[in-house]
Amino acid sequence: GAGVSQSPSNKVTEKGKDVELRCDPISGHTALYWYRQSLGQGLEFLIYFQGNSAPDKSGLPSDRFSAERTGGSVSTLTIQRTQQEDSAVYLCASRDPGTQWEQYFGPGTRLTVT
Amino acid sequence: RKEVEQDPGPFNVPEGATVAFNCTYSNSASQSFFWYRQDCRKEPKLLMSVYSSGNEDGRFTAQLNRASQYISLLIRDSKLSDSATYLCAVFNDYKLSFGAGTTVTVRA
Repeated sequence: GAGVSQSPSNKVTEKGKDVELRCDPISGHTALYWYRQSLGQGLEFLIYFQGNSAPDKSGLPSDRFSAERTGGSVSTLTIQRTQQEDSAVYLCASRDPGTQWEQYFGPGTRLTVT
Repeated sequence: RKEVEQDPGPFNVPEGATVAFNCTYSNSASQSFFWYRQDCRKEPKLLMSVYSSGNEDGRFTAQLNRASQYISLLIRDSKLSDSATYLCAVFNDYKLSFGAGTTVTVRA
């Protein structure tokens, strides 16, 4: 079946601009996660959705970052007034609540802030 | 102290060799454990879950040591295609915490 999809695959933006990153999880996966991976670094947790609610936003690095999920499916991560340190790969993952917590990742969005 | 720590390597091994590496975690209440494989500029892909009794999937063997709070991955009969970064992941409070990864390079 179809996996997690993300768009765009690459985004180059100027410092100070806003960007929106989209994630379309695997059908039926109610749990959705956003992570960030900077060059040569591990994955940094950003936010977790169960359905449309976000019980854990603890990883969002600043109030410039926000995310929403509608219809229990597609999620959008928005970064306002982007900074160069926001440059990273943003990965989305989804999970089937019936499994033993395995998460499946999308291909990521590579964000470059110039 | 980081929640999950890994030896970054790199481990550079010849084809056919056995390579093993560990990952330590700090939260003794951690519930589930996984190994992911990440190729360069690609997303992590689930390699295997780690069960309490240890488990094997072909040439890959994963072990969990709760007393010492580490998990291990062993790769037997290494193939060139095993070259990748291996991420361990620990599940707590509905989210995975990842190590920074162990790089393995298998040479011909």
